[in-house]
Amino acid sequence: DQQVKQNSPSLSVQEGRISILNCDYTNSMFDYFLWYKKYPAEGPTFLISISSIKDKNEDGRFTVFLNKSAKHLSLHIVPSQPGDSAVYFCAATPNAGNMLTFGGGTRLMVKP
Amino acid sequence: KAGVTQTPRYLIKTRGQQVTLSCSPISGHRSVSWYQQTPGQGLQFLFEYFSETQRNKGNFPGRFSGRQFSNSRSEMNVSTLELGDSALYLCASRQSGYEGETQYFGPGTRLLVL
Repeated sequence: DQQVKQNSPSLSVQEGRISILNCDYTNSMFDYFLWYKKYPAEGPTFLISISSIKDKNEDGRFTVFLNKSAKHLSLHIVPSQPGDSAVYFCAATPNAGNMLTFGGGTRLMVKP
Repeated sequence: KAGVTQTPRYLIKTRGQQVTLSCSPISGHRSVSWYQQTPGQGLQFLFEYFSETQRNKGNFPGRFSGRQFSNSRSEMNVSTLELGDSALYLCASRQSGYEGETQYFGPGTRLLVL
């Protein structure tokens, strides 16, 4: 039973355009959400997070949107750059704790 | 500041053996968590240690165990290895384990069980 799902295994975007990565969750106890980026042979790198008391958080080119009623979050990258090409994982946790539940990941390819 | 380090980076074992993986958190971080990444199951939480005590545990059999030392370094042990234990094992640290703190991941140990 996957509590966090990323339904698109891959996404291809042109450089300079917007990348939108989506994530759905089922557990109502989740109240803190994170996005990580992962390159091959490296550990995940934290990108951005959002608490359930917010519906938007922005950090430079990265914006995360949270729709609690739909149990859906999305990561927007604007503008996309070739260096953004990686696997992106969304993760969720109850009580902003340590037990992260990860989605299956979306491989983003940004073409020059 | 040095990041999370994990040793060894690669390991090959045979079924039935046991293995110990090591993780050194970022200096000053007292919370260490372990995750397993496999192609089939994705990234799954194993357990978390804080101040030498296991605070949370994921849904893994008892063959998976861990410990944390007084300097916050952590080890995880897998006994009686099975082929399905082949995975990337990731360690993550954070400062004190309070709400909202970011976890920082190490590069992982890739374990292959033959």
